[in-house]
Amino acid sequence: NAGVMQNPRHLVRRRGQEARLRCSPMKGHSHVYWYRQLPEEGLKFMVYLQKENIIDESGMPKERFSAEFPKEGPSILRIQQVVRGDSAAYFCASSLGTDVYNSPLHFGNGTRLTVT
Amino acid sequence: ILNVEQSPQSLHVQEGDSTNFTCSFPSSNFYALHWYRWETAKSPEALFVMTLNGDEKKKGRISATLNTKEGYSYLYIKGSQPEDSATYLCAFPNTTFFDRGSTLGRLYFGRGTQLTVWP
Repeated sequence: NAGVMQNPRHLVRRRGQEARLRCSPMKGHSHVYWYRQLPEEGLKFMVYLQKENIIDESGMPKERFSAEFPKEGPSILRIQQVVRGDSAAYFCASSLGTDVYNSPLHFGNGTRLTVT
Repeated sequence: ILNVEQSPQSLHVQEGDSTNFTCSFPSSNFYALHWYRWETAKSPEALFVMTLNGDEKKKGRISATLNTKEGYSYLYIKGSQPEDSATYLCAFPNTTFFDRGSTLGRLYFGRGTQLTVWP
């Protein structure tokens, strides 16, 4: 399957634990984006990464959230000391290039995080 | 924060009906508009990337038009089928980020139009 792969599909964490969400972009794609969908809301941008670089993290909460996209391996979205308000669906997307005219995003199936 | 509005929020039609819905976006500094189709339990899937005023794109029974001067795009579905049931999202790139020398970065998504087609 050459699509965007996210895992796990569902993740349950207790308050205070850490959540690690993984995303492998489509083959050949080096641009990765993380979006969050809170209950009853639309998709909200969190962060845009290229290999080994964070390009735009303006949508990421300042504390507890971090993201990386190492040279080898998947992109990781890490949430430390989770709180109930972090419960949401987290979607990863990738694109082949960055030409805004010709580069639609390819999305994964998302990770649904539930904080108990 | 850019305001991308979609209407209606939800739509129920009978199989065979044709339908359309709207995406409104800021008309200044327009570069592109994306349409995505999102079926339940699946991932959003790109339908169209629209860039030119007056452009019309078509994919099977689905087509979209674009008016960049007034800031809206219409998505049309001709002869709706139950398999068309999905949420249709439009998205607008962050042009401020574009001005800083990057291209596609943050997309602002509308909340979508949820279409249900009854057999």
